[in-house]
Amino acid sequence: DAKTTQPPSMDCAEGRAANLPCNHSTISGNEYVYWYRQIHSQGPQYIIHGLKNNETNEMASLIITEDRKSSTLILPHATLRDTAVYYCIVRFRNSGNTPLVFGKGTRLSVIA
Amino acid sequence: DVKVTQSSRYLVKRTGEKVFLECVQDMDHENMFWYRQDPGLGLRLIYFSYDVKMKEKGDIPEGYSVSREKKERFSLILESASTNQTSMYLCASSLDGGYTFGSGTRLTVV
Repeated sequence: DAKTTQPPSMDCAEGRAANLPCNHSTISGNEYVYWYRQIHSQGPQYIIHGLKNNETNEMASLIITEDRKSSTLILPHATLRDTAVYYCIVRFRNSGNTPLVFGKGTRLSVIA
Repeated sequence: DVKVTQSSRYLVKRTGEKVFLECVQDMDHENMFWYRQDPGLGLRLIYFSYDVKMKEKGDIPEGYSVSREKKERFSLILESASTNQTSMYLCASSLDGGYTFGSGTRLTVV
């Protein structure tokens, strides 16, 4: 799996959009970008994934640059409950039997 | 929705005890994983299994064993619990690239 780089921490005002960046310059053509988050004292939770097109679901949007070397997870209207560590992980789609490797992620603090 | 259920949320055990942590998933996933999480060290893989009766060591298997007798259940065993195994233990299952995690078991060994 390609290596990813994320800022260690970010703050966001409640109600504003939270934009979490991730660099993955060594990503290969068939690798997907996955995002998970971990709220304190809970297990990680899947958020979204994408290959090259922008993706949106009920939780977030994922914007992947055209060269696929970086991406941004967008939480459009952050709430206090979005305070968590966010992990960006690059891996092949059909790699369910390959363990997920977590980096240090970005600690997002949503401030009232 | 896929559910991964860990048998206990909090557990306190004595040093030297044999400890069983149970994990059950309800979506027929082939792959299951055990991680532990400690402050400053992040999530570390202990063992994983990609089929019934199959197991593979992760990054930190020492002091642990696992059992996968049925597809839906993956057990983590601490043969002789020690204080350095005090941690949050997380189970996960997957079919393809996406994982579903349980809520975790916070184990304290005294």
